[in-house]
Amino acid sequence: GNSVTQMEGPVTLSEEAFLTINCTYTATGYPSLFWYVQYPGEGLQLLLKATKADDKGSNKGFEATYRKETTSFHLEKGSVQVSDSAVYFCALRFSQGGSEKLVFGKGTKLTVNP
Amino acid sequence: DTEVTQTPKHLVMGMTNKKSLKCEQHMGHRAMYWYKQKAKKPPELMFVYSYEKLSINESVPSRFSPECPNSSLLNLHLHALQPEDSALYLCASSLREGQGVGDTQYFGPGTRLTVL
Repeated sequence: GNSVTQMEGPVTLSEEAFLTINCTYTATGYPSLFWYVQYPGEGLQLLLKATKADDKGSNKGFEATYRKETTSFHLEKGSVQVSDSAVYFCALRFSQGGSEKLVFGKGTKLTVNP
Repeated sequence: DTEVTQTPKHLVMGMTNKKSLKCEQHMGHRAMYWYKQKAKKPPELMFVYSYEKLSINESVPSRFSPECPNSSLLNLHLHALQPEDSALYLCASSLREGQGVGDTQYFGPGTRLTVL
C-alpha cells in the first residue's frame, strides 16, 4: 500500500544547529511528496513539495529532495531558529480509483532552544 | 491568497446537541476535504468533495454529515456525537481532485471540538 514513515522524535536542538528529519515512503505509481508544518494550536501549513523524482522543494531555508532510488524525502535546514519549533509532517499524495488521497507520517515534534 | 477559513475556532457540545462546522475558500478550488486530527496524531481523511459532489467517504459514522452547498463552502453537521469524537477538525481545499492531478491541499486553522 501507500504509506509514509518518518522519525517520530521528539527532536530537541539548539539555535543555529543543523536539522534533518527523515522521511521514507512506500508507494505505487508516481506520488507527490509534501512537508507540512503545524505550529501549536494551529492548522497545517504547506512547507514545501516535490512532484517528481529528483525535484527539490525549498522554502524558508528548509529543503527536501525527492529520491526515488531510496524512496526518501528527508527535510533539512542548515540553521534552525526558535521560531521553527513545531510539528513537521511528511505526506504522500497518490491516486486511487480515480480519486487522490493524502496520507501523513506520524509527525515529528521539533523544539529549538535559544 | 491561499486562505481557507473555518468557524468556529472552538466548539463545546453535549452528546445530544446538533451543531455545524463551516469552511470557506475563495481561491476557485473545486475540491474540498474534511480531516480529523486527534492529539499528537496526524490528520486522518474523513470526506472529499469534488465539484460539489461527495467523492470519498472514509467509512465515517453517520453522526457526521458533510454538505457542500456551493464551490466555496463546506459544512460538517454534527449530531449525537460521543466524547471520543473530540478532536481538531481540519478543512482543506485544492484546485482540483482527480487521478494524476497532484494539486496541493491548503489547510484551514481548524475547529477544536470538545464533546462532553
